[in-house]
Amino acid sequence: GENVEQHPSTLSVQEGDSAVIKCTYSDSASNYFPWYKQELGKRPQLIIDIRSNVGEKKDQRIAVTLNKTAKHFSLHITETQPEDSAVYFCAARASGTYKYIFGTGTRLKVLA
Amino acid sequence: DTAVSQTPKYLVTQMGNDKSIKCEQNLGHDTMYWYKQDSKKFLKIMFSYNNKELIINETVPNRFSPKSPDKAHLNLHINSLELGDSAVYFCASSSKAQVKYFGPGTRLTVT
Repeated sequence: GENVEQHPSTLSVQEGDSAVIKCTYSDSASNYFPWYKQELGKRPQLIIDIRSNVGEKKDQRIAVTLNKTAKHFSLHITETQPEDSAVYFCAARASGTYKYIFGTGTRLKVLA
Repeated sequence: DTAVSQTPKYLVTQMGNDKSIKCEQNLGHDTMYWYKQDSKKFLKIMFSYNNKELIINETVPNRFSPKSPDKAHLNLHINSLELGDSAVYFCASSSKAQVKYFGPGTRLTVT
């Protein structure tokens, strides 16, 4: 069945360093890939997304890359700050459906 | 910011009770969802309604029954609550553009 694998499950970086979270999806019909950030006790919030007709998208310190051939997509956070500490979820959605398949989450800790 | 709202925010109840969670969105979206987030933070889709029609119904015990009186509302009723139902339940909505917005969550604790 459809599946999204996310790695690593936890990630600790020093403030100012970069963080990379990777996801792999199984459904080749997937064409929309959002990333959500969930701070402790709060709702998941969309931080960036990418569609299958684009290979890379950037928004300030956050970027997402997509490799459709390998069915990989990654979140890159540069110049990390303590407020980047949260759980990050990737997701994949197949064309013509309303169903997201979420990854299992990555707990990012940025150490000051 | 009340784009997607849920009530109540916290719900503590005993096993065997019946409870409801309500969700409302004012974004004009046509699709609404219920997700369950367990203690390991896994986000699992439970149900989805599009224009009041059930379109996603995952493997969820039939003690859980969603109801969508109109496009802006999606409620979740749970019968005969069990300890394993303890979790955070998130409502969400999306438009045809696919971007999904989550509500603030309802933390359900069954004792």
